[in-house]
Amino acid sequence: EVQLVESGGGLVKPGGSLRLSCAASGFSFSSYTMNWVRQAPGKGLEWVSSISPTSTYIYYADSVKGRFTISRDNAKNSLFLQVNSLRAEDTAVYYCVRDGNPFDYWGQGTLVTVSS
Amino acid sequence: EIVLTQSPVTLSLSPGERATLSCRASQRLGNYLAWYQQKSGRAPRLLIYDASNRATGIPARFSGSGSGTDFTLTISSLEPEDFAVYYCQQRSNWPITFGQGTRLEIK
Repeated sequence: EVQLVESGGGLVKPGGSLRLSCAASGFSFSSYTMNWVRQAPGKGLEWVSSISPTSTYIYYADSVKGRFTISRDNAKNSLFLQVNSLRAEDTAVYYCVRDGNPFDYWGQGTLVTVSS
Repeated sequence: EIVLTQSPVTLSLSPGERATLSCRASQRLGNYLAWYQQKSGRAPRLLIYDASNRATGIPARFSGSGSGTDFTLTISSLEPEDFAVYYCQQRSNWPITFGQGTRLEIK
């Protein structure tokens, strides 16, 4: 069974940082592109970032470029998102998503709240 | 950036009725259009990919159609568990984008 379990969210002050993690199991993690998608409270879905299986190709939404860094550790079946210089508008649930062409499995999400 | 516009924003129907949800793209997509269902407090679930292919385990009452810039998700006969928010998504061009969602509510 495919499982994606996010962690690392929490309450952080504007300008602060967090490192989000996603533990993957039940599939060959190193064979899949992985993504982060976020959802602000009461709002729609926003794609944040993608990373290819060997980290060769990395893409970011313009809204996070230069502040967020996606990475992965295939040996540990883990996906990460380093989020820096956080703003109030980054408050959202962050989902780890497997890209089976399309986005076929989603984790339950981790909540990041940016507030003073 | 490809903008996806979903209509209507809210759709009020009764169980047993047919639901038709629209997604219009600002540029041609080919068939790289997917539909997701999201219930309150839950992660989205893939319903349809490549415009018309049902994902594993998705009931036959869900169908997708369209190409180019105009796409449709149809639910042939609504079940109580179908009332949720539905999003379309394109992966034809970077950045990947989602529509703003259609809320399907019980009338």
